[in-house]
Amino acid sequence: EVQLVESGGGLVQPGGSLRLSCAASGFTFSSYWMHWVRQAPGKGLVWVSHINNDGSSTTYADSVKGRFTISRDNAKNTLYLQMNSLRAEDTAVYYCARGSSYGSFDPWGQGTLVTVSS
Amino acid sequence: EIVLTQSPGTLSLSPGERATLSCRASQSVISSYLAWYQQKPGQAPRLLIYGASSRATGIPDRFSGSGSGTDFTLTISRLEPEDFAVYYCQQYGRSPLFTFGPGTKVDIK
Repeated sequence: EVQLVESGGGLVQPGGSLRLSCAASGFTFSSYWMHWVRQAPGKGLVWVSHINNDGSSTTYADSVKGRFTISRDNAKNTLYLQMNSLRAEDTAVYYCARGSSYGSFDPWGQGTLVTVSS
Repeated sequence: EIVLTQSPGTLSLSPGERATLSCRASQSVISSYLAWYQQKPGQAPRLLIYGASSRATGIPDRFSGSGSGTDFTLTISRLEPEDFAVYYCQQYGRSPLFTFGPGTKVDIK
């Protein structure tokens, strides 16, 4: 069974840092693009970042560029999101998702909540 | 920058009725790289449709997608109780590389 499990969320003060992890199982992790998508409370989905299968190419939404870094460890089947200089507007549930056909996302993890507040 | 607009914002229907959801793009979507997702409260999104019209694995055939260019439609032929949820469209390829629409909520009339 394909499974994605996020961890690392929590409460952090504005300006602080947090690293999210996404453990993948049930598929050949090194063969797939991976993504982070977030959802603020009561709001819609916002794509955050993508990394290609070998980690050589990454892209970011303008809202996080220069503050967030996506990476992966294919030996550990794990995706990461390093989040620095966090702001209140970064408060959201962060989902990892596997890249799929025609640029879609499938499946998704259950999400991890990040709260930025003093 | 491409923007996806979904309409209506909320669709109030009864079980058994047909639902028609619209997703309009501000620029032509590249090669029909358009997907649809369903999200229920407290759950992660689930892929329904990719490539504008292909059903994802395990998705019932009452869900269908159509369209090209800037106009896309998700149709649910006969609403089941479990179909009441929020639906998002998403494109790949235009800047920003991946974009979601704001969502359409389908609720029980």
